[in-house]
Amino acid sequence: AQSVTQPDIHITVSEGASLELRCNYSYGATPYLFWYVQSPGQGLQLLLKYFSGDTLVQGIKGFEAEFKRSQSSFNLRKPSVHWSDAAEYFCAVGEGYSTLTFGKGTMLLVSP
Amino acid sequence: DTGVSQNPRHKITKRGQNVTFRCDPISEHNRLYWYRQTLGQGPEFLTYFQNEAQLEKSRLLSDRFSAERPKGSFSTLEIQRTEQGDSAMYLCASSLRAGNHEQYFGPGTRLTVT
Repeated sequence: AQSVTQPDIHITVSEGASLELRCNYSYGATPYLFWYVQSPGQGLQLLLKYFSGDTLVQGIKGFEAEFKRSQSSFNLRKPSVHWSDAAEYFCAVGEGYSTLTFGKGTMLLVSP
Repeated sequence: DTGVSQNPRHKITKRGQNVTFRCDPISEHNRLYWYRQTLGQGPEFLTYFQNEAQLEKSRLLSDRFSAERPKGSFSTLEIQRTEQGDSAMYLCASSLRAGNHEQYFGPGTRLTVT
């Protein structure tokens, strides 16, 4: 069965600093990989996805992620964090034609 | 396109009562999914529909849970004889077609069982 690990429960970043959120997955075949963001009281919003092709994918709000098959990783990055980026971030892997398996999430705190 | 909507947004109920949640997917999306999210966890898959057919159910979906999508549009999730362990956020998502995992999520229904 597939699994997703997000090793950092909380991360604090200063506004304007760069950000990297880690995600490792376990899946037998070529994975479909996603990053979602969840703000308080909001549903999950899709930031970006990887299906195939270029391993560096661009998403919304200035986020990008890089798929590294050799490391089973799909880390999320942003060069300069804004206070409005404070939220919880979830990495997910898609299986077959149906389900998504999510990690436990990383809470991003942005300090002034 | 108004996105995925869920009602109610919050539900407080006493242990042993039945509750029903509704999800309206994005129009033209033929796949609909239910997930459950507890505090400190990511969403966990419960079940999904393609049109009106329920194609997969997680082992998390006990006999007290039932989901329907009678006309292939909106869906309901019913929990019978609620338990305190059912307290969670119930999320609905929809997607356009098979093989495309791009799921769009609603705001969720937060259930509190007292």
